[in-house]
Amino acid sequence: RKEVEQDPGPFNVPEGATVAFNCTYSNSASQSFFWYRQDCRKEPKLLMSVYSSGNEDGRFTAQLNRASQYISLLIRDSKLSDSATYLCVVNKDSGYSTLTFGKGTMLLVSP
Amino acid sequence: DGGITQSPKYLFRKEGQNVTLSCEQNLNHDAMYWYRQDPGQGLRLIYYSQIVNDFQKGDIAEGYSVSREKKESFPLTVTSAQKNPTAFYLCASSSTGTGNSPLHFGNGTRLTVT
Repeated sequence: RKEVEQDPGPFNVPEGATVAFNCTYSNSASQSFFWYRQDCRKEPKLLMSVYSSGNEDGRFTAQLNRASQYISLLIRDSKLSDSATYLCVVNKDSGYSTLTFGKGTMLLVSP
Repeated sequence: DGGITQSPKYLFRKEGQNVTLSCEQNLNHDAMYWYRQDPGQGLRLIYYSQIVNDFQKGDIAEGYSVSREKKESFPLTVTSAQKNPTAFYLCASSSTGTGNSPLHFGNGTRLTVT
């Protein structure tokens, strides 16, 4: 099983739709989880951290399922500007460790 | 404004030449990182440093070297030993090197070696 796995997509949705991405991780000891957004040919930017209790930021909701070892990102009321690649990021292990990036899921929102 | 500055944005070199990519941060972050991204690929960790005068190899360190003489600076040298140096290079920093803090990225350097 890869350390961090994402469906590459693309997910094609119309404006206003709700879309969800999942990301699975292999190490049950991982403690920190993040979603990043990357626009074409740009650097990744932090979208949100993922907490055990789940968290919401406007139209974006992130959830963590430790039992099944996946995190999810839900985007409601999609905007054209949401078109990007969404990267799942997980720390390699508990304690002192580095972050591992998934290859990303591409989202295309059309008018 | 605090942030991470990478320079140059685009860099072209001939095969066989070493090249150094600059990365400076004024966020007062302890940890700094270098990643490489190839088309259709995820980010891969080259080197990281959790404290001044110390650094560790990442997953793909061969053909690269770094230094961390100052907290603010973490330059990456791509040597002629790196077999496929053409890529998008991203520098990042985090407040701690524990893996619990998110990374903040510079806007990257696109290196083309011909």
